[in-house]
Amino acid sequence: SQTIHQWPATLVQPVGSPLSLECTVEGTSNPNLYWYRQAAGRGLQLLFYSVGIGQISSEVPQNLSASRPQDRQFILSSKKLLLSDSGFYLCAWSLTGGANTGELFFGEGSRLTVL
Amino acid sequence: AQSVTQLGSHVSVSEGALVLLRCNYSSSVPPYLFWYVQYPNQGLQLLLKYTSAATLVKGINGFEAEFKKSETSFHLTKPSAHMSDAAEYFCAVSDWKGGGNKLTFGTGTQLKVEL
Repeated sequence: SQTIHQWPATLVQPVGSPLSLECTVEGTSNPNLYWYRQAAGRGLQLLFYSVGIGQISSEVPQNLSASRPQDRQFILSSKKLLLSDSGFYLCAWSLTGGANTGELFFGEGSRLTVL
Repeated sequence: AQSVTQLGSHVSVSEGALVLLRCNYSSSVPPYLFWYVQYPNQGLQLLLKYTSAATLVKGINGFEAEFKKSETSFHLTKPSAHMSDAAEYFCAVSDWKGGGNKLTFGTGTQLKVEL
């Protein structure tokens, strides 16, 4: 069966420091990968998605970037964090091609607090 | 572009009472629709999905939802609430354009179950 892992689960960082959140999927090949951010009362906002290694699409301009160095690894980064980057970050994956029935499968999330 | 509106950011019901969480969607193409549940500090878990087959969809934990095209609605119901149903619920619509299946989420409804 497929599993998705995110780490770290919790992170407290000072303003201006770098960020790296990592996500790994196991048990499937060539998944679509996604980063969402959840802010209180605002639902989930899609930040990035990827349909293959090195292929990243950005949904909103921001202080963050994403990379996909391996098929099942997705990394969210920042060079200098802002207070507004605080939130709950969720990684997700989906099947591709004919096996794709639309749903996303989410990790447990990473809570980032920028002070 | 697809969008989802969830009416009522907070819903409170008594244990054993009917649960009704409302979702209306906007889509230029036949939609795929989803309901997810989120417990505190956890990721999202899929409850059920509509993918253009039967309009009444049954999911996990006794939940079901009915797709009504004429009303552009996909309301979530459960006949009898349980304390363990207390969580946040998100409705989502799938956008297949541009590669990958991106989900657009509503702002969520917090369900409280009282004794």
